[in-house]
Amino acid sequence: GAVVSQHPSRVICKSGTSVKIECRSLDFQATTMFWYRQFPKQSLMLMATSNEGSKATYEQGVEKDKFLINHASLTLSTLTVTSAHPEDSSFYICSARGDSPVEQYFGPGTRLTVT
Amino acid sequence: DAKTTQPNSMESNEEEPVHLPCNHSTISGTDYIHWYRQLPSQGPEYVIHGLTSNVNNRMASLAIAEDKKSSTLILHRATLRDAAVYYCILSNDMRFGAGTRLTVKP
Repeated sequence: GAVVSQHPSRVICKSGTSVKIECRSLDFQATTMFWYRQFPKQSLMLMATSNEGSKATYEQGVEKDKFLINHASLTLSTLTVTSAHPEDSSFYICSARGDSPVEQYFGPGTRLTVT
Repeated sequence: DAKTTQPNSMESNEEEPVHLPCNHSTISGTDYIHWYRQLPSQGPEYVIHGLTSNVNNRMASLAIAEDKKSSTLILHRATLRDAAVYYCILSNDMRFGAGTRLTVKP
């Protein structure tokens, strides 16, 4: 199946700093990307949906100024956690979709720890 | 909120079939039903998807109710490696419910 990568796989940052997470679709063009976060022993929570070249649509309760999403190309989307705090520590997962909703794959996740 | 509901947990014996149900009563005609499974600290792994007809692949089978308001993921012979949390989601929604934690007993 298609491959979606995330970088980095894990990151530790200090409180107040910003961290960027990359999501790449390696062998197909992702017209839509989804960002999720997952706390321990919980399900994935959808944060935002982005279409290539457009502004992301954020879920209710997700701060768009804190979680900046850029989907500038058909193979790359980035999530920047600005002014990170310990409560932002979580497992962040992206998903990429091609032209068809059938073509939908998830990345391996990025473990963010804010100290 | 997610548009799918699943039992929180299920158990199976190794090498026996497992039927994992999912309810999606507000599904639309254009929604695909996707199933994924997730191991701890990993991203969801694709299992199978369908639109209206039953589907088979090397991993599993997907049985979709005639009214499309429910579906069942079928693992024909569960192995220990099938122990995971299984999620069904709809393509027009993409929100995850709690999923079903499958335990496989040797």
